[in-house]
Amino acid sequence: GNSVTQMEGPVTLSEEAFLTINCTYTATGYPSLFWYVQYPGEGLQLLLKATKADDKGSNKGFEATYRKETTSFHLEKGSVQVSDSAVYFCALTPNQAGTALIFGKGTTLSVSS
Amino acid sequence: EPEVTQTPSHQVTQMGQEVILRCVPISNHLYFYWYRQILGQKVEFLVSFYNNEISEKSEIFDDQFSVERPDGSNFTLKIRSTKLEDSAMYFCASTTNGGEGTEAFFGQGTRLTVV
Repeated sequence: GNSVTQMEGPVTLSEEAFLTINCTYTATGYPSLFWYVQYPGEGLQLLLKATKADDKGSNKGFEATYRKETTSFHLEKGSVQVSDSAVYFCALTPNQAGTALIFGKGTTLSVSS
Repeated sequence: EPEVTQTPSHQVTQMGQEVILRCVPISNHLYFYWYRQILGQKVEFLVSFYNNEISEKSEIFDDQFSVERPDGSNFTLKIRSTKLEDSAMYFCASTTNGGEGTEAFFGQGTRLTVV
């Protein structure tokens, strides 16, 4: 079946540090991959996505590359800010209309100044 | 910017009571979803709804749960007889045509506490 595994948190960093949050997946076929972010007190928001192998999604300085050979979609940012403190969820959908997202457990990021 | 809205933001109910969680999806979206997140655990899919019927449901979505789109705008989740383990954050989401890479838009969630 389909599943997503992401690194356990919390991740605690100082401002301007480099961030990596690992995400690997198991899926039949060729899923679309997503990173969602949940800021305190808010709902889930799409951060970035990639729909095929070697695609790179990027937004707000965050990047992730769809690696089919390693079944990974690691999230990276070169220099984190305090405002990046949130919970980050890796997710996938099989590429069929209307199919639900399958989420990882979420990784809490805390950035201090 | 269009958004998914959920009410109430927090609901406390006694075990065994019925609750209805309400959602207003984005108006031109076609697929609607409910997810839940038990504190400290992953976001789990409950049910999807398309063309006025359930299109997919998880094993969590048993006979105690039901969904409805009573009019052109609302999408509701009903839990008939709540249990302590139903305490969770419930998220509603909607998407357009559900094709490859379609973004799901989420509401801010309803925190359900069963006491």
